[in-house]
Amino acid sequence: AQSVSQHNHHVILSEAASLELGCNYSYGGTVNLFWYVQYPGQHLQLLLKYFSGDPLVKGIKGFEAEFIKSKFSFNLRKPSVQWSDTAEYFCAVNPMTTDSWGKLQFGAGTQVVVTP
Amino acid sequence: EAGVTQFPSHSVIEKGQTVTLRCDPISGHDNLYWYRRVMGKEIKFLLHFVKESKQDESGMPNNRFLAERTGGTYSTLKVQPAELEDSGVYFCASSQVPPAGTDTQYFGPGTRLTVL
Repeated sequence: AQSVSQHNHHVILSEAASLELGCNYSYGGTVNLFWYVQYPGQHLQLLLKYFSGDPLVKGIKGFEAEFIKSKFSFNLRKPSVQWSDTAEYFCAVNPMTTDSWGKLQFGAGTQVVVTP
Repeated sequence: EAGVTQFPSHSVIEKGQTVTLRCDPISGHDNLYWYRRVMGKEIKFLLHFVKESKQDESGMPNNRFLAERTGGTYSTLKVQPAELEDSGVYFCASSQVPPAGTDTQYFGPGTRLTVL
């Protein structure tokens, strides 16, 4: 079955550490890719997105993600995290097929805790 | 500009009762989506409206769920009768009708439904 996999369910790290969250998908055709974040008590917010062009995309709050088509991956990175990055992070894929247009497929989410 | 709003934020009902969730999309957004996250699982697509028409309702779990979007503005999602497994967080998202392949969805805060 087609799916989106996030490699880690929980990540705990210290402030100033680097963060990388893995995301792999199993759709073979053209896809749009997203990372969303949900801070405690807040709604899902868009961190960044990839539609086409440069596979290295930059988002808000110092996050970036790299699309590697050959690996079906869209990993999220931040060189130096802050306590305020504590949140749940979701990878989402929109398979660009006629019967899936607009239908986001989400990974299970990764809970990130940044300790002071 | 106001974001996507949802009402209520929380709802606790007993099995067999009826609950109606409401979503107000961002003004001018013709696309409206409903998603659901059951505890411990990934966020799953329920359905997609374009204006008042159901574009895709392939994710609706069963006929106890009824979504409407009269007039193409706000949408309601009714669960009747509610079952224990309907508990979860129901998210609404909206987007403009985009140029092909550039749909970006903006999410509301969600409604946490608990069925006892």
